[in-house]
Amino acid sequence: DGGITQSPKYLFRKEGQNVTLSCEQNLNHDAMYWYRQDPGQGLRLIYYSQIVNDFQKGDIAEGYSVSREKKESFPLTVTSAQKNPTAFYLCASRETSLGYGYTFGSGTRLTVV
Amino acid sequence: GENVEQHPSTLSVQEGDSAVIKCTYSDSASNYFPWYKQELGKGPQLIIDIRSNVGEKKDQRIAVTLNKTAKHFSLHITETQPEDSAVYFCAARRGNTGTASKLTFGTGTRLQVTL
Repeated sequence: DGGITQSPKYLFRKEGQNVTLSCEQNLNHDAMYWYRQDPGQGLRLIYYSQIVNDFQKGDIAEGYSVSREKKESFPLTVTSAQKNPTAFYLCASRETSLGYGYTFGSGTRLTVV
Repeated sequence: GENVEQHPSTLSVQEGDSAVIKCTYSDSASNYFPWYKQELGKGPQLIIDIRSNVGEKKDQRIAVTLNKTAKHFSLHITETQPEDSAVYFCAARRGNTGTASKLTFGTGTRLQVTL
């Protein structure tokens, strides 16, 4: 079955560490997105990529980095520069030529300990 | 940039009653408005969407209405069931490529359907 897979489901990070969240899709979608979700807030866009080897900053990119070396993969690194990284992170993908809808992964909950 | 406001933040209805969630948007160029349902610990799932050339769309118990003049759109759920309990997000977008392809989300509505 086609879908979008995020791993791990839960992740714990010590202060000062970088961590990388995985996002893989087998939907052959061109565009991929990373959103952050905090309690009581909507989803806020961190980074997005329309094609391989290209990506753009979203609304809250500071302290995060991404890469898009393959169409199927869009990993997100939360760096030590991100001062408040504890949140629920959601990856999404979209086929740009067919329709407008996003397909979301099941999310990664990151906690700083 | 686009700003999407969503109300109410929480909504409790009895099983069988209707539920209505409202959103307003700021960018008059926005032309695509999806609604997502998110269950606890899961990613959001698209439940219905509407484009700006349509005023209303229905899918069984779910409907969405759009008023472009007033820049607001609403989600209507009829004959609510316990499995409708979840957080619902509205969103808006004004294009299909580049920066315009970003979805801007509302802050969510927690719907609880009681027996």
